[in-house]
Amino acid sequence: KQEVTQIPAALSVPEGENLVLNCSFTDSAIYNLQWFRQDPGKGLTSLLLIQSSQREQTSGRLNASLDKSSGRSTLYIAASQPGDSATYLCAVRASNYQLIWGAGTKLIIKP
Amino acid sequence: NAGVTQTPKFRVLKTGQSMTLLCAQDMNHEYMYWYRQDPGMGLRLIHYSVGEGTTAKGEVPDGYNVSRLKKQNFLLGLESAAPSQTSVYFCASRDSSYNEQFFGPGTRLTVL
Repeated sequence: KQEVTQIPAALSVPEGENLVLNCSFTDSAIYNLQWFRQDPGKGLTSLLLIQSSQREQTSGRLNASLDKSSGRSTLYIAASQPGDSATYLCAVRASNYQLIWGAGTKLIIKP
Repeated sequence: NAGVTQTPKFRVLKTGQSMTLLCAQDMNHEYMYWYRQDPGMGLRLIHYSVGEGTTAKGEVPDGYNVSRLKKQNFLLGLESAAPSQTSVYFCASRDSSYNEQFFGPGTRLTVL
């Protein structure tokens, strides 16, 4: 059974720092992996999607990597800003229909 | 283009009451999903639909029913609400040929 883990559950860093969020999964047989952002009281916004055949994806200050063999993905945020404060979730597509989700990392960027 | 909308945004029920949550999408997506999100846990799939007139069970379907009579709408029903169904409910949709899921803003449901 596929399980997705995100550690740490919470992270607080000063503004301007580069940071890495981690996501691990137990079964390497995945279609793709997605990173989402969730702001308090709001829905989820897709940030990056990495297909199983890809190693990384970039969007602006965000870079996501995927290592299927080790069951790991990282989300790198460069030059963090207070507006980056949110909960970040990763999810793997284990079948054509279902995403398996991590519990998320709550990120706080201190001005 | 509103994307994915959910009605209502908040609701308080008493144990045993029933209600229906409405999800609507205007992107002509084939796939639609209902999730619940509880503190400290990832989203869990309740039910999903791969097209108009179809529904299927997800990871935690007990106590819920769904219907997809129209392609743009996906309804989630609670026939007899229980305190364990207190949660935030999210609807999502995606195109059959693209992997990205688009989410609604969520419905916060409290069952007393």
